[in-house]
Amino acid sequence: AQSVTQLGSHVSVSEGALVLLRCNYSSSVPPYLFWYVQYPNQGLQLLLKYTSAATLVKGINGFEAEFKKSETSFHLTKPSAHMSDAAEYFCAVSYPVGTASKLTFGTGTRLQVTL
Amino acid sequence: KAGVTQTPRYLIKTRGQQVTLSCSPISGHRSVSWYQQTPGQGLQFLFEYFSETQRNKGNFPGRFSGRQFSNSRSEMNVSTLELGDSALYLCASSLPTSGVNTIYFGEGSWLTVV
Repeated sequence: AQSVTQLGSHVSVSEGALVLLRCNYSSSVPPYLFWYVQYPNQGLQLLLKYTSAATLVKGINGFEAEFKKSETSFHLTKPSAHMSDAAEYFCAVSYPVGTASKLTFGTGTRLQVTL
Repeated sequence: KAGVTQTPRYLIKTRGQQVTLSCSPISGHRSVSWYQQTPGQGLQFLFEYFSETQRNKGNFPGRFSGRQFSNSRSEMNVSTLELGDSALYLCASSLPTSGVNTIYFGEGSWLTVV
């Protein structure tokens, strides 16, 4: 069964510091991978997605993620954190069968950004 | 282009009652899926509908049901509510096309069962 593991339920960084949120997937076949962000009392917003076209994926708000098959990882990074990045981040995987798809989410990582 | 719209945003129900939540997908999207988000269980897939047919179902009891209309709008129903059903219910829509489907989420419906 497909699954994702997010290491660290809480990550705290200083404003301007590097953001690194970790995601590892478990799969026997290459999956599709996503990162979503959730701000308080809101739904999920897509940050970026991996579709096998390129291993380094750039998303919105300066975030990017690199797919590493050998490490079964899809870590999310941002060079310089901003206060507005404080939110909960979810890694997700899907395996579309035909045109059907469903997302399996990790447990989430809450990012705190301090002055 | 309007996003995924969910109504109501907030509601409070009593144990044993039933509730219906509504979702309007992004215009042109034909696939609608539902997720439950709780602090304890995280984000869990409920079901997916495409062309008025349930195509995928998560591991939830039969009290949770849904349907999709010909205009792609969807509703989900929870009968005989339990305290543990208190959660954020998220609706998501996608085109879908062959290959990867980008799934867009609504703001969610906050259900509190008392």
